Order: sequence, then C-alpha cells, then structure tokens
Amino acid sequence: DAGVTQSPTHLIKTRGQQVTLRCSPKSGHDTVSWYQQALGQGPQFIFQYYEEEERQRGNFPDRFSGHQFPNYSSELNVNALLLGDSALYLCASSRRDRDYQPQHFGDGTRLSIL
Amino acid sequence: GNSVTQMEGPVTLSEEAFLTINCTYTATGYPSLFWYVQYPGEGLQLLLKATKADDKGSNKGFEATYRKETTSFHLEKGSVQVSDSAVYFCALSASGTASKLTFGTGTRLQVTL
Repeated sequence: DAGVTQSPTHLIKTRGQQVTLRCSPKSGHDTVSWYQQALGQGPQFIFQYYEEEERQRGNFPDRFSGHQFPNYSSELNVNALLLGDSALYLCASSRRDRDYQPQHFGDGTRLSIL
Repeated sequence: GNSVTQMEGPVTLSEEAFLTINCTYTATGYPSLFWYVQYPGEGLQLLLKATKADDKGSNKGFEATYRKETTSFHLEKGSVQVSDSAVYFCALSASGTASKLTFGTGTRLQVTL
C-alpha cells in the first residue's frame, strides 16, 4: 500500500521563477493538504483541497495556488519565487469521512531559491 | 488565534533515560491534539493523538495526556533508545478546522549510548 508520494525530491530555482510541486495521496484518501516547513520550524498550513476545490487556506499570498485532479492527486504552484520561499514543502492526505484524521505525510520536496 | 508552544531543544539524553517534552496550546473550543515525529530526511509520522480532555494517547512506549485545565499535552517515555533520536512536533486541530494542523516549532531529541 503506497503512502503519500511527492515529486520532485529536490528542486533549485532562482528568484522570480515559477515552480510546480506534485503529490499523490495515500490509496483511499480523498483530501490533500499542503504545508510549508522552513528550516528549524514547524510546518505551516498553506491550503487544503477536497473534491477538486480549495476548502481552507492559511496565511499565504496568492502567489501560492493549487489544484486537485479527479484522481485526488494535487499540485502546488508558486509564482514569482522569493528567497523566503526556500523550504520543505509537505503534502498530507486524509479522508473526509474520517474527519480528516489522521493525516499521512509525504517525505516532502526541498525547494531552494537562489 | 490557535497556537502551540513547545519546549526548545535540543534535548540530549542517555539511553534508558526518562523523557519529557512539554507542550502547551491555545485554542478555542475543544481541539484534538497530536504528536508527530520527523526522522532526518523524512516527512512527519503520527506518533499519538488525543481527541478529548483526559484522553491518553500512547504508541511505541510514548504517552501524552490531554489536560484541558492546564492546556497541555506533554510527551513522555520511560526509557528512550538511540533510535528515538528525531524531531518531535506537537500539533492541534481546532474545532471546525478539522483538516488544518497547527504545529509547534519542534523539539530535537538526541539520545546517546
């Protein structure tokens, strides 16, 4: 039973560029949430997708956007990259009919901005 | 708003020592509380959880009790092993925002022989 998978593992971009990160949820899960984890900090909630729509959003600017596909997989897009966007981006999946708990996390994508 | 405060690390212990990592929270209503563990280069793994006051979550020898009167959820283990070395995160899921987790800053645990 595959868990949550994220790609790519690592990514290096320069300021002003755009990036797309991908997430496949655990089998049987229908909800995907994205988190940003800066070095030495706890993860910060970006947003959650269910039924292909954004359902909740944290305190992140509109440069951060996402998408969920009919197979429940998801993408996180970040435009106009800033140095401060350097972080580990974590995807978590869950089931809405189990009140979204527990959330299962992928190993993350390490994004470095030069 | 909701928040979680954890004791700062790193915490360095000898193998078989007793572990306590303090966690307190601020939230409206009745949040669910969690401890997650992150090993180097990996994502977060759920260690244990408690969904209502006085519940005790336990897993792999770790325990934490949901104390509403002190708004705390301290993590304990009676005898740590080298393999327990990791970063531990306390988190909450507030009422009405069930899928959004609010995390503390994490506590690094280093266990030595």
